[in-house]
Amino acid sequence: NAGVMQNPRHLVRRRGQEARLRCSPVKGHSHVYWYRQLPEEGLKFMVYLQKENIIDESGMPKERFSAEFPKEGPSILRIQQVVRGDSAAYFCASSPSRQSNTEAFFGQGTRLTVV
Amino acid sequence: GQQLNQSPQSMFIQEGEDVSMNCTSSSIFNTWLWYKQDPGEGPVLLIALYKAGELTSNGRLTAQFGITRKDSFLNISASIPSDVGIYFCAGRANFGNEKLTFGTGTRLTIIP
Repeated sequence: NAGVMQNPRHLVRRRGQEARLRCSPVKGHSHVYWYRQLPEEGLKFMVYLQKENIIDESGMPKERFSAEFPKEGPSILRIQQVVRGDSAAYFCASSPSRQSNTEAFFGQGTRLTVV
Repeated sequence: GQQLNQSPQSMFIQEGEDVSMNCTSSSIFNTWLWYKQDPGEGPVLLIALYKAGELTSNGRLTAQFGITRKDSFLNISASIPSDVGIYFCAGRANFGNEKLTFGTGTRLTIIP
């Protein structure tokens, strides 16, 4: 059983480029969450998605950030025109369903560095 | 927005000592979770608490969900080297798989 798989593990982008972070949830999980962690801080919620639907994006910056979880394939967190302040670790978590008693599993994260 | 204040920020202890850390909130949470994060890794769930007053153990770890629903503590007994890492509390305001609010973390270091 594979856990939550995130890739790449490390990503370096120049200012102004686009960053695409991928998250493959645990097989059979239909809910995905994205969190951001700045150095020496806790994780901050960004967005909660089900297959093909955004359920809660209250933690997403209004501009440059978008997320999707298509019917087939991984969830993608996309950051356009990256700036230095976007440098952080981005974690994805997945869970089976809203009614399950199983807490979400976290992936190992993607560490984005903007130079 | 909701905030979780976690203390202490860091702890330096000797192997074999007991550890205690806590988390407080200005608002009510219906679920409290405790995670451990190793360098370069994602958080790993240690203990989940779903009822006010609940006391739950997982090996050498014990955690409690405060009666007021605004606090929780985590104790680690007889610490060992692999306990080193950052411990985070997290709260969920609504039942179901909703978003989590994380604390600021407690960094545990074991002095040889």
